[in-house]
Amino acid sequence: KAGVTQTPRYLIKTRGQQVTLSCSPISGHRSVSWYQQTPGQGLQFLFEYFSETQRNKGNFPGRFSGRQFSNSRSEMNVSTLELGDSALYLCASSSRGADEQYFGPGTRLTVT
Amino acid sequence: QKEVEQNSGPLSVPEGAIASLNCTYSDRGSQSFFWYRQYSGKSPELIMFIYSNGDKEDGRFTAQLNKASQYVSLLIRDSQPSDSATYLCAVNFYNFNKFYFGSGTKLNVKP
Repeated sequence: KAGVTQTPRYLIKTRGQQVTLSCSPISGHRSVSWYQQTPGQGLQFLFEYFSETQRNKGNFPGRFSGRQFSNSRSEMNVSTLELGDSALYLCASSSRGADEQYFGPGTRLTVT
Repeated sequence: QKEVEQNSGPLSVPEGAIASLNCTYSDRGSQSFFWYRQYSGKSPELIMFIYSNGDKEDGRFTAQLNKASQYVSLLIRDSQPSDSATYLCAVNFYNFNKFYFGSGTKLNVKP
């Protein structure tokens, strides 16, 4: 069974731009969660989608948004990028959300 | 108080020894517990999950859960240099429907 895939793997953007990251979960998984990981803050929860509905959201500004499609693929968008948005963005999929999550390889975003 | 707490380490053990990693959590109702391993520059990899009190063994790894004391631990027997990584503890509180991660414990296994 194929694992979680994320595209792109690396991204360099300048302040003020926006970015869209994509995540394809493991086949059959309906829950997709997004996390931001930085050396200082560790893994921070962004949001979780299940069957196209956002079920939970972390403490991030409204510049961070996401969506999930009918095939369970998910995208997250960050608008008006700031230097502090430089991080590894990880998505994780699970079948129901409360069970074990499997992470994708991540997208390394650098904002200059 | 954070929902999930881990000692950041580093924890250094000699090759062949038992590495013991601990995690404490706040009581937020029903939970499930997970251990992830993360190598530098890579994404977290699921090692173990445990839902009930007691021990769960998988190869060289044993997860131990004590809900009364609110801690979960991971034992790595016969530690190898390839086990050197950061180990993340995660708790899913069913009422909140999201995972809370600890900050991770860095493990160094010395040859």
